[in-house]
Amino acid sequence: ETGVTQTPRHLVMGMTNKKSLKCEQHLGHNAMYWYKQSAKKPLELMFVYSLEERVENNSVPSRFSPECPNSSHLFLHLHTLQPEDSALYLCASSGASIGLAGAYNEQFFGPGTRLTVL
Amino acid sequence: KQEVTQIPAALSVPEGENLVLNCSFTDSAIYNLQWFRQDPGKGLTSLLLIQSSQREQTSGRLNASLDKSSGRSTLYIAASQPGDSATYLCAVKASTGRRALTFGSGTRLQVQP
Repeated sequence: ETGVTQTPRHLVMGMTNKKSLKCEQHLGHNAMYWYKQSAKKPLELMFVYSLEERVENNSVPSRFSPECPNSSHLFLHLHTLQPEDSALYLCASSGASIGLAGAYNEQFFGPGTRLTVL
Repeated sequence: KQEVTQIPAALSVPEGENLVLNCSFTDSAIYNLQWFRQDPGKGLTSLLLIQSSQREQTSGRLNASLDKSSGRSTLYIAASQPGDSATYLCAVKASTGRRALTFGSGTRLQVQP
């Protein structure tokens, strides 16, 4: 596997279900991100994990719970979701800290998980 | 709060045309700007990244420019092809604080054969 992978690619769940999205990066990066892409809205950041910071978007409901066990893996645990949570969930990773000479911080994205909440 | 705007929202051109996509941002204190391509229902593919100290970057038929002081970037696509049809997204990273990108809403490009 190369780049950033996400599983599952498609997920349909009921409002009472509990599921998890998985992301894995094979790029040796040290920061990982969850973004949400809803229809006709810009991508919006949900969470960031890196050696320097864990950042949460305060507008993300508590029914979304991230977990980052190591620098290569990122999970998004879902429980009691609402139909409006249906979206494409994208994971990204980037490398090198700001301040290192030549650091690009270019972000690489996975293919996304298409989530439908019934 | 940084806001990113992309104009036009949609564009349809005949094959072979050169075209320009526009991106503007409200806060000029950026670390870099990245252009992505997204095919329907798919993830994002990074096209070009411009550091704040750079004026432009080129990759094949693509050329991206950055005017940080005026808060603008353009993506120039030369000799467009039907395979270029996709949504093009512009995103900026702040020069301090959070690592995350702020995205525009994208320009949906259709290249007619």
